[in-house]
Amino acid sequence: NAGVTQTPKFQVLKTGQSMTLQCAQDMNHNSMYWYRQDPGMGLRLIYYSASEGTTDKGEVPNGYNVSRLNKREFSLRLESAAPSQTSVYFCASSEGGARQGARETQYFGPGTRLLVL
Amino acid sequence: DAKTTQPPSMDCAEGRAANLPCNHSTISGNEYVYWYRQIHSQGPQYIIHGLKNNETNEMASLIITEDRKSSTLILPHATLRDTAVYYCIVRPYSGNTPLVFGKGTRLSVIA
Repeated sequence: NAGVTQTPKFQVLKTGQSMTLQCAQDMNHNSMYWYRQDPGMGLRLIYYSASEGTTDKGEVPNGYNVSRLNKREFSLRLESAAPSQTSVYFCASSEGGARQGARETQYFGPGTRLLVL
Repeated sequence: DAKTTQPPSMDCAEGRAANLPCNHSTISGNEYVYWYRQIHSQGPQYIIHGLKNNETNEMASLIITEDRKSSTLILPHATLRDTAVYYCIVRPYSGNTPLVFGKGTRLSVIA
């Protein structure tokens, strides 16, 4: 039971390049999330998927796209990377579903460290 | 914006209780208080949550004031491995509302 896995662990891009960050969970969770964390800051939500087939914008969605490929996988794409997107990206999942209510616990992956030059 | 206020940093001696305060004066009746922590550069880890009653689990205790405007996370016997950034978050009961992280409190446990 690996929990939440993310690939790659590290990535260096040049401005304008594109890339996709991959996230997968093996806990049969309904909800998945993408956050970014800049140095010395808390996490900020980029996009989330409350259930398979749905996605919603978070606090900082500009410059990103997401795909909920299936229940297990939720990818984050940078179409044209900018230096301002240099950050650590965390994926998370939770059991989800309205019936869960406040008993939501999010489980986080180890993060992807992205440097855009 | 985060709906909570926490001190930016705190120190605690190893073996002593660490008491981390959080102010959430605008909390609504349907919102729970969650605590997560982030050790170094790892992903955040869930600690505990509560509505209005005090809660305890194997990691910590959560004390919520009667008016629910503030709470305290207690690590009863802090160890060096508890050094981390601790986040206090309020979240509605219903739906899939995502967590909103503030800057948290950086707890340093000192030998």
